[in-house]
Amino acid sequence: DQQVKQNSPSLSVQEGRISILNCDYTNSMFDYFLWYKKYPAEGPTFLISISSIKDKNEDGRFTVFLNKSAKHLSLHIVPSQPGDSAVYFCAASPPSSDGNKLVFGAGTILRVKS
Amino acid sequence: DVKVTQSSRYLVKRTGEKVFLECVQDMDHENMFWYRQDPGLGLRLIYFSYDVKMKEKGDIPEGYSVSREKKERFSLILESASTNQTSMYLCASSLWTSGRFTDTQYFGPGTRLTVL
Repeated sequence: DQQVKQNSPSLSVQEGRISILNCDYTNSMFDYFLWYKKYPAEGPTFLISISSIKDKNEDGRFTVFLNKSAKHLSLHIVPSQPGDSAVYFCAASPPSSDGNKLVFGAGTILRVKS
Repeated sequence: DVKVTQSSRYLVKRTGEKVFLECVQDMDHENMFWYRQDPGLGLRLIYFSYDVKMKEKGDIPEGYSVSREKKERFSLILESASTNQTSMYLCASSLWTSGRFTDTQYFGPGTRLTVL
């Protein structure tokens, strides 16, 4: 059973508009969340993260929101650019006793149209 | 600059062959990981290692083994390749942290393995 779910396999957005990628998780013990971005034929690269003690983290055009009661997080990209077209993976960190493992979602393909 | 390299970008093997996938990192990271990426399933952890000669099973270890003889190198071994092991294999590394927050994992470019 997937503990981290990205229910939208793909998303298409017009350049300049907002992209919102969603992620749900089932394990309330997760205490750290990350977003990774992956271009074809490349490995994923870290984008932004948030700890469970916060509800928002912002880095330039990228903002991650965490709603712990709903076990939901979202990544907002404003404004969206064609270079943002990639696969976005949500990941969560189990409790610290499990070390540095991450649990990944299935990914969402974002297409930004110019 | 952080770098994780994988020995092959593309690999084609036959059913029953023994397959070695090599991963090297130059960041002196303690942790190393092997994932496979499949459509609709995301990245699934096969094995990971916290230190030299140390290994832990991930979520899908069946049919795989690993070796970590040196800190910078982590090898994934398919003892007898099968067609259901056709996938994209990704290696990653990270610093070891004892606190509550996980350090970033850095990924290699991936190896696309096809088993015929």
